[in-house]
Amino acid sequence: GESVGLHLPTLSVQEGDNSIINCAYSNSASDYFIWYKQESGKGPQFIIDIRSNMDKRQGQRVTVLLNKTVKHLSLQIAATQPGDSAVYFCAENRGYSTLTFGKGTMLLVSP
Amino acid sequence: EADIYQTPRYLVIGTGKKITLECSQTMGHDKMYWYQQDPGMELHLIHYSYGVNSTEKGDLSSESTVSRIRTEHFPLTLESARPSHTSQYLCASSVDRGQETQYFGPGTRLLVL
Repeated sequence: GESVGLHLPTLSVQEGDNSIINCAYSNSASDYFIWYKQESGKGPQFIIDIRSNMDKRQGQRVTVLLNKTVKHLSLQIAATQPGDSAVYFCAENRGYSTLTFGKGTMLLVSP
Repeated sequence: EADIYQTPRYLVIGTGKKITLECSQTMGHDKMYWYQQDPGMELHLIHYSYGVNSTEKGDLSSESTVSRIRTEHFPLTLESARPSHTSQYLCASSVDRGQETQYFGPGTRLLVL
């Protein structure tokens, strides 16, 4: 049922700054990871993915880093813009073509 | 951009009513999923399907049921809605070619009074 997400981690940045959003995953056997962006009132939108045989992958203004030793994933957004304000989720492949989602981080970008 | 649609977008309904949330995708994806998400919280998988006539339960116990009679259509039904069912329901699909990227619809926000 409904509950208030008062505990959602929040990252506040100024427009133009670089943002780093972190995620710890649980399954050392996971071989595929995705970052999603979810704006208010919308479904999650695919941003970037990475397979476990890579440490880094770059997209347009975004970079994902994977540290398998400590089971840590990060999303770097360069030159953050107000339109980047959203909740960001990491997800890991749990097998059987299903994903496990992390708790999400809210990114607030002020002009 | 993914072509996956959900209707209705918002639904307010009384306790005990039967409801069906619709999800359709035009990408020919074999796999489809239903998630439940409370505000500010993570997504919880409640049902998924590998293809026509395939349905599986997810992690989160749910009183809802699903069917997959056609590739493009994956409706979710609640036989008797209760206030505890109030939440957002998200549908997703993915292609069955070793890629697990899921593409999401806009969601249905359900309020049961």
